[in-house]
Amino acid sequence: GENVEQHPSTLSVQEGDSAVIKCTYSDSASNYFPWYKQELGKRPQLIIDIRSNVGEKKDQRIAVTLNKTAKHFSLHITETQPEDSAVYFCAANPTGNQFYFGTGTSLTVIP
Amino acid sequence: DAGITQSPRYKITETGRQVTLMCHQTWSHSYMFWYRQDLGHGLRLIYYSAAADITDKGEVPDGYVVSRSKTENFPLTLESATRSQTSVYFCASSDRLAGFYEQYFGPGTRLTVT
Repeated sequence: GENVEQHPSTLSVQEGDSAVIKCTYSDSASNYFPWYKQELGKRPQLIIDIRSNVGEKKDQRIAVTLNKTAKHFSLHITETQPEDSAVYFCAANPTGNQFYFGTGTSLTVIP
Repeated sequence: DAGITQSPRYKITETGRQVTLMCHQTWSHSYMFWYRQDLGHGLRLIYYSAAADITDKGEVPDGYVVSRSKTENFPLTLESATRSQTSVYFCASSDRLAGFYEQYFGPGTRLTVT
C-alpha cells in the first residue's frame, strides 16, 4: 500500500516567521493530497488540499506545493500566529476509498 | 461539524470485554471510515464502508468488526478488547466531490483498556 512520510515531527517558530512541513509518498497512483490541522483534544479538520493536476495552491497564509515527479508535497504557512499551533497531518489518496496519513507535525508558534 | 457524531466520547473497559463504538452522520455520505490515532503513528485506517452493507479492511483491521446496515450508522466493535487497542478512535465520512473524497471527522472516542 501507500507509504506517507512526514517531516519534521516537531517544529517551533517565532510568531511572524514561516513554517514548512514536508511529506513524501510512494504510490504514483495517488492523486489527491489533503492537509489536516488538529488542535489539542479536537478532531482533524481539512485546511487545504491539492489535486495531482495542480502544482501549487494558496489560501491566504497557507499554501501547498506538489511535485509529482519527486513524489513529495509541502505545506507552507506564512506570517505564523499563535493560533496556528497544532498538529498537522498530510495524507495521500491512491484510490477513491483509502487515505494514508503521515505521522503528524506538532507546530508551536512562540509569541 | 455537527453532522457526524460519535458515542461514547470516553470509555474505560477491561481486557477481554466486548465494546462497541458508535458513529452517526446526517449528511447521507456514502463513505464512512474508522481510524485509530496513536502517538507516533498518526491516523491509521481500520475499516471503511462504501455504502450500506459494503465494508472493507484498512491497514489495521485485526481485532475489530464493523457493520453498516444503514447509511447513517457505522458501529465499530472490539470483540475482545486488548490493552493494545487503547487509543483515540475517529469516525469519518465523505462523498464524491469532483472525483475526490474530502473526509469529515467526528469528535473522537478515547478508549482505555485496562
